[in-house]
Amino acid sequence: NAGVTQTPKFQVLKTGQSMTLQCAQDMNHEYMSWYRQDPGMGLRLIHYSVGAGITDQGEVPNGYNVSRSTTEDFPLRLLSAAPSQTSVYFCASSYGGGWDEKLFFGSGTQLSVL
Amino acid sequence: AQSVTQLGSHVSVSEGALVLLRCNYSSSVPPYLFWYVQYPNQGLQLLLKYTSAATLVKGINGFEAEFKKSETSFHLTKPSAHMSDAAEYFCAVSKPADSGGGADGLTFGKGTHLIIQP
Repeated sequence: NAGVTQTPKFQVLKTGQSMTLQCAQDMNHEYMSWYRQDPGMGLRLIHYSVGAGITDQGEVPNGYNVSRSTTEDFPLRLLSAAPSQTSVYFCASSYGGGWDEKLFFGSGTQLSVL
Repeated sequence: AQSVTQLGSHVSVSEGALVLLRCNYSSSVPPYLFWYVQYPNQGLQLLLKYTSAATLVKGINGFEAEFKKSETSFHLTKPSAHMSDAAEYFCAVSKPADSGGGADGLTFGKGTHLIIQP
């Protein structure tokens, strides 16, 4: 029972490099989202998707890109990494996307940008 | 716009003592409210949620929370703390999808780190 799987668990980038954080879920959830967690800031929503082919911006979308070509996968792309993007990133999913629904979280990706 | 304030970034209690983690919210409509827990090096897990049914909500691991509209609060309690309760706790608020004006999503508080003293 895999749930929400994130890869990699750790990543170090140099400023200006690009990379993709992977997120996959095997629960047939329609809703998927990306959050970043910074000390003393809680979790902030970056982008979310309510189904394949549909994405929208959250609170802090700048510098990030997403796409949703399948129900299972929701990758997060950093186009040109900056030190301000050093953070822990969490992917989350829920069945129907209603805001009363339980979110299932992955175990996170710790990203450092030097 | 909705917001959540968690009072106290760190709370320390003795094992066996009452746990009280405070959460106040701001919302233009009666909200949905949640408590999530994050154990070290893990993702968040739902503890409990309030979605306009009973105002006293019971969750997993002996935790419960009471929705008080007059105080705009949703404090989390547990009668007797265990060492295994040491974690980061997040309160979150969302707006019902049928409340009009579009969904603001799920807004998290900044978190409270619960420390259990032996």
